Parts: sequence; C-alpha cells; structure tokens
Amino acid sequence: QLQLQESGPGLVRPSETLSLTCTVSSINNDNYYWGWIRQPPGRGLEWIGSIFSTGSTYYSPSLKGRVSISVDTSKKKFSLNLRSVTAADTALYYCARHRHDYNYDLDYWGQGTLVTVSS
Amino acid sequence: DIQMTQSPSSLSASVGDRVTITCRASQTINNYLNWYQQRPGKAPNLLIYAASSLHSGVPSRFSGSGSGTDFTLTISSLQPEDSATYYCHQSMSTPYTFGQGTKLEIK
Repeated sequence: QLQLQESGPGLVRPSETLSLTCTVSSINNDNYYWGWIRQPPGRGLEWIGSIFSTGSTYYSPSLKGRVSISVDTSKKKFSLNLRSVTAADTALYYCARHRHDYNYDLDYWGQGTLVTVSS
Repeated sequence: DIQMTQSPSSLSASVGDRVTITCRASQTINNYLNWYQQRPGKAPNLLIYAASSLHSGVPSRFSGSGSGTDFTLTISSLQPEDSATYYCHQSMSTPYTFGQGTKLEIK
C-alpha cells in the first residue's frame, strides 16, 4: 500500500514562498508520476502541477509562473514551491500519484496539509 | 483549458436509489475521464478511470460510462456510506481540470 505524506509550514505570510514536501514510500518507477492538487476551504479541486521521475514538469498556467516542482528520488520526496503567495493561495494541499499507463489518473493521495496565507 | 461541468451541483437521495451524476467536457477528451469520491475531511479516492473502468476495491454498485464529451457516474443502489462529494477529472491534456463537484446527501 503506497503512502504519501505532505509536510511543511501551516502558515505563510503574504508575498513569501509556500514550500511543501511530499514523502513517498516508493518513488522509483517510470510507470508513475507525481502531482500537487489544492482545495480552497469549502471549494473544489485545482490541479497545480506534476513531475515525472526524470524531472520533466507540467504546471497550471493559472499560477502564472509562480510554481515549481522538483523531485529527489534518492530521498523519495517531491516538493512544491509557490512564490509570492496571497490569501487566495490558502488551501488544503494534496500530493498524489498519477498512473502513466492507466489514463493518467490519480490513484493514491496524501491526507492533505492546510496552508493558510496570512500576516 | 478544457472546462469540466458537472450536474447537478447537489442532490439528495434515499438508500437503495439509483443515482446518476453527469460531467460534460468543453471539448472531446476521448475516454480520459476519471471519477473521485471525497468524504468530508478526507482526501479524494479514485472510483472510476478511463471513463468506465472500476478502480480496485471500489464496490460494483459504482459504474461509469461515456466517451468524447459526455460522461456519467452511476450508483446503482445508494448506500449510507456514499454520502460524499463526487468529482470528475479530465486527464486528456494539461492543465488537468476537475468538475466543480456534486454533493450527494442521503435522505
């Protein structure tokens, strides 16, 4: 049973950088890639971006170049950085696994971590 | 971006009822459509992938159909534990997008 666990600060000040890490029990497999999804309180799901084990990345254009995702397979972790945050970035942030050979769906999710942007 | 529109936004049904939720894509996505269930305070769980394939461990009362732009999620006989919000998700192309969700309440 794959496990994913998000970690990082629960409070970030406006204009600063939100940094989260997802620790995965097993990450070295080219059949999968890794994504970040967020959910503002009381609202729906928004895809942030995804990364392959090779390091290739795809980001949501709506985040206007503020986002970067990296992976460290040796440490079984991938990370999210979101720069210049505002209150609109307050959300529950999930990391998840995409299945490359099954429609690119998201079959495993972390429990989520709440990040609040406030001074 | 591909827009995903779900209907209804919410519904209430009784145990044993047959429930259908629809999802429409703004352009064709072939069968790159997935469905998730999210119970309150929990992460989403994959129910259906590739429009109609049942994910491992998901009860057989859940089924999906459709292709192109129009898709449905059906619960054949509603159970109390099915109270949740359901999301469709297109994985045809980035940016991946989700429907706005359908909140299902048990009467």
